[in-house]
Amino acid sequence: SQKIEQNSEALNIQEGKTATLTCNYTNYSPAYLQWYRQDPGRGPVFLLLIRENEKEKRKERLKVTFDTTLKQSLFHITASQPADSATYLCALDMVGDRLAFGKGNQVVVIP
Amino acid sequence: GAGVSQSPSNKVTEKGKDVELRCDPISGHTALYWYRQSLGQGLEFLIYFQGNSAPDKSGLPSDRFSAERTGGSVSTLTIQRTQQEDSAVYLCASSPMTGSQETQYFGPGTRLLVL
Repeated sequence: SQKIEQNSEALNIQEGKTATLTCNYTNYSPAYLQWYRQDPGRGPVFLLLIRENEKEKRKERLKVTFDTTLKQSLFHITASQPADSATYLCALDMVGDRLAFGKGNQVVVIP
Repeated sequence: GAGVSQSPSNKVTEKGKDVELRCDPISGHTALYWYRQSLGQGLEFLIYFQGNSAPDKSGLPSDRFSAERTGGSVSTLTIQRTQQEDSAVYLCASSPMTGSQETQYFGPGTRLLVL
């Protein structure tokens, strides 16, 4: 069966450090992968998209990697700040113009 | 430019009642999606509209759930004979076009509580 796995345990990290989140998937062949941020009581907000032929994508303090052999994407927040505290969702494209979302991984940045 | 809006923001209803949830997508966005998010769970796909094509209803959990999109814009998700397990946040998203790796823009969601 198809699965998208993100760590269910919250990641607690000291301000200024780099937070790294993992998204693993099985039985998918995505052409691209997206990362979203979700704050409590709000809808997800798009952050980054990385295509299958791209190894790495950056946006400000965010970096995403995509390894189609390992079936894994890593999401990094460098120089983390308390305002980065949120839940981060990975999403894979599916046939039929749909996205399949992981359950998300919560990040807590400690001042 | 307004984002995706949803109403009501919160809805409390009694088991067995029908509810209607509304989504106003971003103007010009041809694709519209409904998702359900239960506490601690990921986004569960419900239904997808694209232009004038027949909607993809493959995610609707039962025949109590239905949705329509009028004039290619506003969408309404209807849940008939609500059950307690329908309690969740219902999220709507729109996208400008499909097949081009477009991102989805989400509304704030409707929090539904079935007593």
